[in-house]
Amino acid sequence: RKEVEQDPGPFNVPEGATVAFNCTYSNSASQSFFWYRQDCRKEPKLLMSVYSSGNEDGRFTAQLNRASQYISLLIRDSKLSDSATYLCVVNTDGSSNTGKLIFGQGTTLQVKP
Amino acid sequence: AAGVIQSPRHLIKEKRETATLKCYPIPRHDTVYWYQQGPGQDPQFLISFYEKMQSDKGSIPDRFSAQQFSDYHSELNMSSLELGDSALYFCASSRTTTDTQYFGPGTRLTVL
Repeated sequence: RKEVEQDPGPFNVPEGATVAFNCTYSNSASQSFFWYRQDCRKEPKLLMSVYSSGNEDGRFTAQLNRASQYISLLIRDSKLSDSATYLCVVNTDGSSNTGKLIFGQGTTLQVKP
Repeated sequence: AAGVIQSPRHLIKEKRETATLKCYPIPRHDTVYWYQQGPGQDPQFLISFYEKMQSDKGSIPDRFSAQQFSDYHSELNMSSLELGDSALYFCASSRTTTDTQYFGPGTRLTVL
């Protein structure tokens, strides 16, 4: 079982739709949580960090539930340019504090006109 | 803003050859990470350095070695290349181990 699990999709949605991605992680010692976006085998780019209180950045909202070890990303009013793979990422540095990132397998989003 | 620089961007090697990948972190970033992303796979952590010392090691084959130099750039050395080593190799840097990691554009290695 992977340490970070995501539904790989693909999610095919029309422009303007709202789409939600979910992710679970197995290591309760995980310290930091992120959503990265990856386009066509380019480098992963940070979309947003995820906090227990929830955080929002424009059309994007991220939530963290530490008790359930569950992370979510909500995209409202989808744009064609949102088409990409969304990677759920966990930093399990714990006591060693080395900062290595553990990636989920990614969820592919295709927004259609 | 300056980003992480990786070279070369593309590399083609034969089986059993060696390869050296280079990474130049964002200025004032002391921490460097290497990740390998195979076809259709998610990135896998290989190795990391903090202040020129190895700080963590992941699923890195013994045929691979890496180091971080005094100017904080890092090199990943790969020997006895195998077909399965064909992948995208990303370098990421951060100011500290708890800060956001920024990824370079990657080196696409093809082993024939």
